[in-house]
Amino acid sequence: DAGITQSPRYKITETGRQVTLMCHQTWSHSYMFWYRQDLGHGLRLIYYSAAADITDKGEVPDGYVVSRSKTENFPLTLESATRSQTSVYFCASSATGELFFGEGSRLTVL
Amino acid sequence: DQQVKQNSPSLSVQEGRISILNCDYTNSMFDYFLWYKKYPAEGPTFLISISSIKDKNEDGRFTVFLNKSAKHLSLHIVPSQPGDSAVYFCAARGTSGTYKYIFGTGTRLKVLA
Repeated sequence: DAGITQSPRYKITETGRQVTLMCHQTWSHSYMFWYRQDLGHGLRLIYYSAAADITDKGEVPDGYVVSRSKTENFPLTLESATRSQTSVYFCASSATGELFFGEGSRLTVL
Repeated sequence: DQQVKQNSPSLSVQEGRISILNCDYTNSMFDYFLWYKKYPAEGPTFLISISSIKDKNEDGRFTVFLNKSAKHLSLHIVPSQPGDSAVYFCAARGTSGTYKYIFGTGTRLKVLA
């Protein structure tokens, strides 16, 4: 099906482990984004990408790494997970107007 | 520093009445504003948007108003329905080179039957 999909939907990991959240879109949108949602903070932008091989920091990039070797994929990696990175992560894509969001990945870091 | 602010964490409205959700922003370079609705365990879904060259945009029961001088936008829902109960986020798009969308903290709307 066309759209934007995230995997895994749920993940439990331990402090210090590396975790990668995947995001795939089928619209060939240029822009892709990663947000995290936390109570009291709303949706905060982690990283975004304007095209393949072009990425930039958002509001809360520390502790995260992204790559975009293909237009359709935008993985988010936590190189050494911390408890403060427990959150719900949303990927989104856009041409130049509205964002289309995935269903989210709930990550728990123990 | 929060560039997009939603100062009301929650709002309760009777069914059939008007719901007004507010949003303030600090960056005068924002050129496009959006409202999203979010149900639990789902991704946010787009509701309505407005360009900075306009001051009003309507889509059915939803109207967004933009006051650039006050750096304020609002979402009006008329009439409110129980299915509108959700968290609403406003967002603003910056134009410094590439498009960057900043979201507010959200307002939880409860429409009472």
